[in-house]
Amino acid sequence: KQEVTQIPAALSVPEGENLVLNCSFTDSAIYNLQWFRQDPGKGLTSLLLIQSSQREQTSGRLNASLDKSSGRSTLYIAASQPGDSATYLCAVPLYGNKLVFGAGTILRVKS
Amino acid sequence: DVKVTQSSRYLVKRTGEKVFLECVQDMDHENMFWYRQDPGLGLRLIYFSYDVKMKEKGDIPEGYSVSREKKERFSLILESASTNQTSMYLCASTAQWSNEQFFGPGTRLTVL
Repeated sequence: KQEVTQIPAALSVPEGENLVLNCSFTDSAIYNLQWFRQDPGKGLTSLLLIQSSQREQTSGRLNASLDKSSGRSTLYIAASQPGDSATYLCAVPLYGNKLVFGAGTILRVKS
Repeated sequence: DVKVTQSSRYLVKRTGEKVFLECVQDMDHENMFWYRQDPGLGLRLIYFSYDVKMKEKGDIPEGYSVSREKKERFSLILESASTNQTSMYLCASTAQWSNEQFFGPGTRLTVL
């Protein structure tokens, strides 16, 4: 059974700091991994989809890496801003386009 | 850009009422999903659909049903709402060839 764990559960950093969010999964036979952002009371916004054949995917100040063999992914946020404050979730596919989600990391960037 | 819309952002209903939550996507996606999200429990899949008139139970289907009469629309139905169905409901869609899911803005349902 696939299980997804995100560490830390919450993180508070000063503005401008570079930070890393971690995601681990128990079954390494995945073909991609997706990172989402969720603002309070809102839906999920897709940030990055990284394929199993890729090791990294970048979008602006965000960089996601994937190491299938170790069952881990990291989301790196450079030069954090207060607007980055949100909950970040990772998810991996199960059969039939279903996703298994982690519980999320609540990020607060202080100005 | 993919757009997934949900009929209401906030909804307040009484116990025993029949509730319809509507979701519409504009990207011709084959797959659509309904989740609920609760503090401490994360996202849980209620139902999903691979095609028109096709539906499959997710992890927590009890107390819910769904309808997919058109490809772009996926409805979640609470036949007789109960207070334990107070939650945030999220709809998502994805193309058949991909599992990159796109989410709607969510409906915050309160059952009194």
